[in-house]
Amino acid sequence: DQQVKQNSPSLSVQEGRISILNCDYTNSMFDYFLWYKKYPAEGPTFLISISSIKDKNEDGRFTVFLNKSAKHLSLHIVPSQPGDSAVYFCAASHLYNQGGKLIFGQGTELSVKP
Amino acid sequence: DTAVSQTPKYLVTQMGNDKSIKCEQNLGHDTMYWYKQDSKKFLKIMFSYNNKELIINETVPNRFSPKSPDKAHLNLHINSLELGDSAVYFCASSQQGGSNQPQHFGDGTRLSIL
Repeated sequence: DQQVKQNSPSLSVQEGRISILNCDYTNSMFDYFLWYKKYPAEGPTFLISISSIKDKNEDGRFTVFLNKSAKHLSLHIVPSQPGDSAVYFCAASHLYNQGGKLIFGQGTELSVKP
Repeated sequence: DTAVSQTPKYLVTQMGNDKSIKCEQNLGHDTMYWYKQDSKKFLKIMFSYNNKELIINETVPNRFSPKSPDKAHLNLHINSLELGDSAVYFCASSQQGGSNQPQHFGDGTRLSIL
């Protein structure tokens, strides 16, 4: 039972354009969402998060949008740079879950071409 | 200045052997985790410890036994290794499990069973 889904395994974008990565979830108890970036042979690196009380969070070139009614979030990267090429994981949890368990999507591989 | 470090980075061993993976964090976090990334690239939580106490055990076989000598260390011991144990194992830590704090990951241990 996959509670967090990233339906696009890969995305290719031209440098300078916008990258939009999507994530859907099924559990309405989730109230905290995160995006992680992962380079080959490295661990996931925290990128940005959003609480369910917000619908948008911005950090530099990265913005996360949350649509609770649609159970959908997206990560926007503007402008995209070649160094952004990596696998992006969406993750979710709920505040009162024991132990801080994160449920991850299967990842989207972003390729930013010069 | 490594935040979460795992050793070894690569582990190749025979079926039936017993092996351990070590994890240490220097972030002063209270909670540590083990995740498994399988061949389909899903990251799934295995265990969570808060200040040396087991909080989450996600239906992991008894052959897997985590040990936390102090809150900065969470080691994973695996008995009687099986082919299906081949995966990348990630250690992570966070300020406090169950709160909206991002988890910080190590670079993973790539376990291959021959």
